[in-house]
Amino acid sequence: SAVISQKPSRDICQRGTSLTIQCQVDSQVTMMFWYRQQPGQSLTLIATANQGSEATYESGFVIDKFPISRPNLTFSTLTVSNMSPEDSSIYLCSVPSGNGNTIYFGEGSWLTVV
Amino acid sequence: QQPVQSPQAVILREGEDAVINCSSSKALYSVHWYRQKHGEAPVFLMILLKGGEQKGHDKISASFNEKKQQSSLYLTASQLSYSGTYFCGRPEGGIYRGSTLGRLYFGRGTQLTVWP
Repeated sequence: SAVISQKPSRDICQRGTSLTIQCQVDSQVTMMFWYRQQPGQSLTLIATANQGSEATYESGFVIDKFPISRPNLTFSTLTVSNMSPEDSSIYLCSVPSGNGNTIYFGEGSWLTVV
Repeated sequence: QQPVQSPQAVILREGEDAVINCSSSKALYSVHWYRQKHGEAPVFLMILLKGGEQKGHDKISASFNEKKQQSSLYLTASQLSYSGTYFCGRPEGGIYRGSTLGRLYFGRGTQLTVWP
């Protein structure tokens, strides 16, 4: 199984600021995915992070708000820009297993915007 | 695009059984089930790949009816450790399109509480 590390695990941020979340995987993966889970809600896919190309965003999410980098096959970052209290959420990165039959999640980054 | 889960919440005594249902209005090629405990990230339980497939993990099992675009999760003789929120996930695209397998659309979740 893949080991996924996220940083920071928790943070309290001032509104209007930006925060970058890092996701490190212990093996090379083609696709990495970023999800958001707002308080008491389900998980919502933000974007697919492709190595060597632009991220693919889901409806309702834009690059200006959630820029993503994917510099290599084991690492990705998600930035939450110009944060507002509505951005208070858990942000999770995930990767599929080698055969694609299992999706592993990182521990999540718990963000509170005040 | 989001699958529909029912019920929204279940309260059980230890040892009782529960069923959580997941249905999709879009084609359901496979179904993922996850459990999330409070304050933790979701944990993968199982994936069902074929219509009619049933899988089990300890006393948690699931069925998948591809034609009806439905899946059910069965929790037998519930334990305290089963408490949490259960999510079903629908992958976008067919199961052989590997690039879409990580793109999951999750149901709203079913909160399961098991009391001693």
